[in-house]
Amino acid sequence: GESVGLHLPTLSVQEGDNSIINCAYSNSASDYFIWYKQESGKGPQFIIDIRSNMDKRQGQRVTVLLNKTVKHLSLQIAATQPGDSAVYFCAENRKNYGQNFVFGPGTRLSVLP
Amino acid sequence: EAQVTQNPRYLITVTGKKLTVTCSQNMNHEYMSWYRQDPGLGLRQIYYSMNVEVTDKGDVPEGYKVSRKEKRNFPLILESPSPNQTSLYFCASSRTDGPQYFGPGTRLTVL
Repeated sequence: GESVGLHLPTLSVQEGDNSIINCAYSNSASDYFIWYKQESGKGPQFIIDIRSNMDKRQGQRVTVLLNKTVKHLSLQIAATQPGDSAVYFCAENRKNYGQNFVFGPGTRLSVLP
Repeated sequence: EAQVTQNPRYLITVTGKKLTVTCSQNMNHEYMSWYRQDPGLGLRQIYYSMNVEVTDKGDVPEGYKVSRKEKRNFPLILESPSPNQTSLYFCASSRTDGPQYFGPGTRLTVL
């Protein structure tokens, strides 16, 4: 069936380094993707989104890359900080209208001092 | 402050005792949704609503009901809760074509 997944369940990076979190999706018709950050005890927090007519979008310290050819999404975090430690989810909108998201299981990012 | 609120934040109940978890948003969003989050399974959509009086099933709707009588509110109803509904529940809202914004979560335990 259709699914959104992550290549790595955990990722440890040194403070100040760049982080890359990956996500594979299976529905080639999906046209909208979102990255969320979830800290312990909190709800998912929107980070950045991208539509299928783009292959790159930048925010503050974050960049999302979309490769539709291989159905791959990545989140890059520049100069990773301790406050970036969290679980990161990618989400894929399966419908062409309205919203019907499926979420990946998440990657836990740990920032080492 | 723009936000999604849920109540209660924590609830312990017993099998078969009907309960309602409320969700409210103050952003005038058309779209609202309920998810459950379980270890190792990620977020799974229960129900969603694209506007007032319009609701549809998500991936795991069994055992749940919803209603959307007002744009700002989207309560989740468990008519007869069972232990397998013990989970962390999130409500979310969005514009029709924008990112979803999540509430703080409701941790439900059904004994």
